[in-house]
Amino acid sequence: EPEVTQTPSHQVTQMGQEVILRCVPISNHLYFYWYRQILGQKVEFLVSFYNNEISEKSEIFDDQFSVERPDGSNFTLKIRSTKLEDSAMYFCASVPPSGSNEQFFGPGTRLTVL
Amino acid sequence: AQSVTQPDIHITVSEGASLELRCNYSYGATPYLFWYVQSPGQGLQLLLKYFSGDTLVQGIKGFEAEFKRSQSSFNLRKPSVHWSDAAEYFCAVATRSNDYKLSFGAGTTVTVRA
Repeated sequence: EPEVTQTPSHQVTQMGQEVILRCVPISNHLYFYWYRQILGQKVEFLVSFYNNEISEKSEIFDDQFSVERPDGSNFTLKIRSTKLEDSAMYFCASVPPSGSNEQFFGPGTRLTVL
Repeated sequence: AQSVTQPDIHITVSEGASLELRCNYSYGATPYLFWYVQSPGQGLQLLLKYFSGDTLVQGIKGFEAEFKRSQSSFNLRKPSVHWSDAAEYFCAVATRSNDYKLSFGAGTTVTVRA
C-alpha cells in the first residue's frame, strides 16, 4: 500500500541554522500539507499546497518558513533560521485527487533545536 | 470562530470496559470529521472518518463514532478496550472551503489499567 514518507526521522540542529525537512507524498495525490506538533500539545496546521503554490498558511508560517515541490515528487519544508521554539514533530500529509478528502500522514520528523 | 473541543484531557479505563471520547465542533456547515490515534513517539493513524450518510461510522480496531448534528458532536466509542488502546486520541475537522486542512482538538490521553 502506498504511503507518505518523511526524512529524516530526527534532525538536531543549532539555533540559527537552516533545516530542510523532506516528504514524499503518495504519487497521484494533489493536495499537500505540513503540520507540526510541539511536545505535549495538539497538532497545528502550518501550510497547504496545491497546484504548485501555497493555498493557505497559518500565522505560524512566517517568513522563516517556505515550502517547495522541486521535482514533482518531493515536498519540502524549509526553516531558514531555526529558533528554539521550532522544536517539534513535523508531519507531512497528502490528499488524493478526488473523493475521500482523507489526509494520509507521514511518520513525522522530530526537529530538535539546541 | 471555528473550533474543535475535546473536553476530556485524560481518561483512565479498565481493560475490558467501554470507552467514550467526546468531541464537539463549531463550524458553519457540516464539516468532514475524523478521529486519529497517536501512540507515544509515533505518527497519526486514522481510526475513522465521517463525510456524509450513515451517522454511525465504523473504524479500525473496533472503534466507532456517531455524528450528531443537533449536538455538533462526533464522539468516539469502543465497547471493550484492550491494553494496546492506551494512546492519545485526536478529533479533527476539515472543510472544503478551507482546502480540507485539518483542525485538531487538543487530544485525550487514554490510560488502560489492568
